[in-house]
Amino acid sequence: DAKTTQPPSMDCAEGRAANLPCNHSTISGNEYVYWYRQIHSQGPQYIIHGLKNNETNEMASLIITEDRKSSTLILPHATLRDTAVYYCIALPIQGGSEKLVFGKGTKLTVNP
Amino acid sequence: ETGVTQSPTHLIKTRGQQVTLRCSSQSGHNTVSWYQQALGQGPQFIFQYYREEENGRGNFPPRFSGLQFPNYSSELNVNALELDDSALYLCASSLQGTYGYTFGSGTRLTVV
Repeated sequence: DAKTTQPPSMDCAEGRAANLPCNHSTISGNEYVYWYRQIHSQGPQYIIHGLKNNETNEMASLIITEDRKSSTLILPHATLRDTAVYYCIALPIQGGSEKLVFGKGTKLTVNP
Repeated sequence: ETGVTQSPTHLIKTRGQQVTLRCSSQSGHNTVSWYQQALGQGPQFIFQYYREEENGRGNFPPRFSGLQFPNYSSELNVNALELDDSALYLCASSLQGTYGYTFGSGTRLTVV
């Protein structure tokens, strides 16, 4: 079973920041928080991951609370192409051959 | 670098038949994982192959089987197809020991 919970859907206006929450209160100290997204009719795409510190890359920012019980994925200037299902996944630090356990994710709709 | 390629993109089969789906992994990747995604659900892990051997399996019956070839490409075989096998089948390649999964766009299988 997925160790994370996410709201089923969210809406965002084009050009505004999209903030997608994820609850992972049972995550262990040895697990990363990974984010993937799946645009309609495509396979999932890696976005970003983090352990304790906030992370930023060209796609998004990841804010992890100090107690690591939750995190927020931020798309700073959402575009219509960001409409997708976003998945938050916990993965162990030691491993790399672990399966990805997807929940139902959050369906983000970016509106014009 | 080339991404993950899956074939065919769409397929219709009759209940009881057998099907083979194919996947070419991304250049530099040596591990292939297969996922099944039913409509409206997140992808579910079927199995993973590394060094041409099964390296982990999800909760799927033995009629789901696979192969990995020396060039790291892979096949997913499903025997005795059932209506519930209708789904999007996703292939993901990675380098063993890392979480850099690259997904293909999937094969949409319809069983009638």
